[in-house]
Amino acid sequence: ETGVTQTPRHLVMGMTNKKSLKCEQHLGHNAMYWYKQSAKKPLELMFVYSLEERVENNSVPSRFSPECPNSSHLFLHLHTLQPEDSALYLCASSQDWGQNQPQHFGDGTRLSIL
Amino acid sequence: QKEVEQDPGPLSVPEGAIVSLNCTYSNSAFQYFMWYRQYSRKGPELLMYTYSSGNKEDGRFTAQVDKSSKYISLFIRDSQPSDSATYLCAMSAKEIKAAGNKLTFGGGTRVLVKP
Repeated sequence: ETGVTQTPRHLVMGMTNKKSLKCEQHLGHNAMYWYKQSAKKPLELMFVYSLEERVENNSVPSRFSPECPNSSHLFLHLHTLQPEDSALYLCASSQDWGQNQPQHFGDGTRLSIL
Repeated sequence: QKEVEQDPGPLSVPEGAIVSLNCTYSNSAFQYFMWYRQYSRKGPELLMYTYSSGNKEDGRFTAQVDKSSKYISLFIRDSQPSDSATYLCAMSAKEIKAAGNKLTFGGGTRVLVKP
């Protein structure tokens, strides 16, 4: 496997469910990101981890809970989501945080909230 | 006013034509500029990465940055149906440890290249 891999690719859940999104990068990068992509809106940065430490939380509601157990893996835990949370959730990585380096994206998880 | 403006399209061109895409921005601190291509049901894929003003060419793709006008462009020569995708511009300010390399994205332009 190469690049950034996200699972599952699609997820449908009720508002009371708890689920997790997974991201794994095989690029040897030290920084990982979660983005939200909604229709007709620019990508919104949600969280940033650098060397497993959260360095950015972009005013994201607490129903989204990130976890970074090591520099290769990133999770987004979801609970009691709202219909407006339906979107494409993208994971990205870059060599380091704090330097202007390009970010490389996975193919995302398409999340639908019933 | 959005920090980065990008026409959503769709931009429809015949195969073989030049595709011209652009973004305008308001933050004069932006110095790093990127173009990503996103196919349907896929994540964004980095196409071009440039620093400050000037031109950069890579195969059929040319990126231009005009910082004085706060305007960036992407040109695709000899367009192919496989170039049909959404193109996102992104930019960031010069590295500041506290700010990291936070990217600001445009909303994307949908391009259709017709055979």
